[in-house]
Amino acid sequence: SQTIHQWPATLVQPVGSPLSLECTVEGTSNPNLYWYRQAAGRGLQLLFYSVGIGQISSEVPQNLSASRPQDRQFILSSKKLLLSDSGFYLCAWSVRTNTGELFFGEGSRLTVL
Amino acid sequence: SQQGEEDPQALSIQEGENATMNCSYKTSINNLQWYRQNSGRGLVHLILIRSNEREKHSGRLRVTLDTSKKSSSLLITASRAADTASYFCAKKNSGYSTLTFGKGTMLLVSP
Repeated sequence: SQTIHQWPATLVQPVGSPLSLECTVEGTSNPNLYWYRQAAGRGLQLLFYSVGIGQISSEVPQNLSASRPQDRQFILSSKKLLLSDSGFYLCAWSVRTNTGELFFGEGSRLTVL
Repeated sequence: SQQGEEDPQALSIQEGENATMNCSYKTSINNLQWYRQNSGRGLVHLILIRSNEREKHSGRLRVTLDTSKKSSSLLITASRAADTASYFCAKKNSGYSTLTFGKGTMLLVSP
C-alpha cells in the first residue's frame, strides 16, 4: 500500500532562518506531488506541484521554493523565512490519472517568530 | 475565482442528526471531491463525484451534484461525535492536474 511521510511535524524558526520540509511517498511510482499551505481557519492554497523529477510548477509567487530530486521525494525550502510564512504545510500525492484524488501527509506546523 | 465555496462556515448539531454542507463553484469541472480534516491533521479523501453524475453514496455519506447550478452538497446521516472535523470540497477542472479547495465547513457533533 502507498504511504506518505512528511517531516518535521512541528517547527519553530526565527525570521530570516532557512527552511526545509521534506516529503516522501512509498509504494507508488511517478506520482504527482504537491505542496499546500493552510492558514489558520482557511482553505488550502496550492504552492507547488510536480509531475516529474526536476519539474516544478509554482502557483503563487512567494518566498518559498520546491525541488524534486528523486521520483518520490518533494522538498519545500526557503532561504530566509518571513513571519508570513507561518502556517500548516501539507504535502500530497496523486496518481497520474484524470481524477486528481489527493492523498495527504500529516502536515508540518511552521511558526516563524 | 475558481474556488469552491462551502456553506455554512460552521455547523453544530447533536449526535444522530443529519449534517448538510454545500459547495458552490464558478467554472466547469471534471469532478468534485470532498475531503475531511481532523484538527491539526492532514486531509482525507471521502468521495468523488464526476461531472456526469448527479448523486453518489458511500456509507453514511451522500453527495449530490447540480452542474446547472454549479453546486454540490454533502450529507452525513446519523452523525456521530467522531464526525467532528472540517469538511472541504475540491474542484478538478478539465485539463488541469490540480485541485482547487474551498475554505471548508467546520462541523461539530455534540454527544
